[in-house]
Amino acid sequence: AQSVAQPEDQVNVAEGNPLTVKCTYSVSGNPYLFWYVQYPNRGLQFLLKYITGDNLVKGSYGFEAEFNKSQTSFHLKKPSALVSDSALYFCAVREYWGVLSGGGADGLTFGKGTHLIIQP
Amino acid sequence: DTEVTQTPKHLVMGMTNKKSLKCEQHMGHRAMYWYKQKAKKPPELMFVYSYEKLSINESVPSRFSPECPNSSLLNLHLHALQPEDSALYLCASRPGLADPGGTGELFFGEGSRLTVL
Repeated sequence: AQSVAQPEDQVNVAEGNPLTVKCTYSVSGNPYLFWYVQYPNRGLQFLLKYITGDNLVKGSYGFEAEFNKSQTSFHLKKPSALVSDSALYFCAVREYWGVLSGGGADGLTFGKGTHLIIQP
Repeated sequence: DTEVTQTPKHLVMGMTNKKSLKCEQHMGHRAMYWYKQKAKKPPELMFVYSYEKLSINESVPSRFSPECPNSSLLNLHLHALQPEDSALYLCASRPGLADPGGTGELFFGEGSRLTVL
């Protein structure tokens, strides 16, 4: 099974400072990796993805992530944090599962989430 | 239209009630998903429909019954739920993997917040 791990339950950063939210992965084959953000009582919003190509991936709201194959990591970064970035962040990996009746099915398996708090 | 729409946003039901959650998308996506999310936890997969056929059932209790009437609509029928079933239920969809943009990312709705009394 594919999996991702987010080692930090919470990350605290001062506004204007750079931020990093960590994610490591364990997959067989080439990983399809994703970052999502969730604000309170809301659904998940897609931020960015790594499929192939450049190791530095740019996404929404000024976020970027660096894919590092040797360290099996996909850390989320932003050069200058905003208070409005405070939210719950999930790293995810695309996974295939067994099926009930023929064909294939896939979806996303999520890390446990990291609560990002940006302090004014 | 680039949205996944879920109704109702909030639902309170007793353990003997029958209710349904509805999810709709008009992006032409061919796979649709139900996830369950408890507070401050990651979403957990419940059901996957691919081309309107149930492909994955992650050992979900029979008191949850999914239905996919057409390629745009996904329902989750609820019956005889328990208080521990209270959670945020998220619907998601994605393009076909052979379609443009079909790299596996899911598009999520805002969720239906379910409270079972």
